[in-house]
Amino acid sequence: DAKTTQPTSMDCAEGRAANLPCNHSTISGNEYVYWYRQIHSQGPQYIIHGLKNNETNEMASLIITEDRKSSTLILPHATLRDTAVYYCIVRVGPGTGANNLFFGTGTRLTVIP
Amino acid sequence: EAGVTQFPSHSVIEKGQTVTLRCDPISGHDNLYWYRRVMGKEIKFLLHFVKESKQDESGMPNNRFLAERTGGTYSTLKVQPAELEDSGVYFCASSQERTVAYEQYFGPGTRLTVT
Repeated sequence: DAKTTQPTSMDCAEGRAANLPCNHSTISGNEYVYWYRQIHSQGPQYIIHGLKNNETNEMASLIITEDRKSSTLILPHATLRDTAVYYCIVRVGPGTGANNLFFGTGTRLTVIP
Repeated sequence: EAGVTQFPSHSVIEKGQTVTLRCDPISGHDNLYWYRRVMGKEIKFLLHFVKESKQDESGMPNNRFLAERTGGTYSTLKVQPAELEDSGVYFCASSQERTVAYEQYFGPGTRLTVT
């Protein structure tokens, strides 16, 4: 699986957009980019995933560069409840027999009032 | 729809004792996973069930850990005998078979403290 690199921590003002970068320069053609987050004392929570197109759902947007070597998770209007550790995970798609997730150290996002 | 539930939420045991953690996945989810985070470390995969079969147990640290999923519903993870380094938070997750994404739904975790 491709390795990901994320900043250790970031701050964001409440109500502003939070842009969390992730580098995955060794990603291969069949690997997806997934984002999860873990709010303190809770289990990890799925946010969004993508292969090569930009994706948007009710939680966030995922922007993947054309060469797929990096991506950015965007929380459009951060709230205090978005304070969490965000994990960028690169993994092959389902049906390959490899379904476990590899969590790195992630980015600790702090939303500031 | 009920989420993934785990029991107990906390467990404090002495070194050498046995502890059994339980996970109830979301109804209809064939895939069930166990992960854990030991103090100061990253969340690590332990094993993966598809229904009642162990699909991948490559993350199980040693033979003191035994996971079962009889009948393909709930799962138990037994640690026997527990050691100090087993302290941490144990997460269970479930997902549907052939899901498009790795949208694994995680439970709140069981915090295990071995003294």
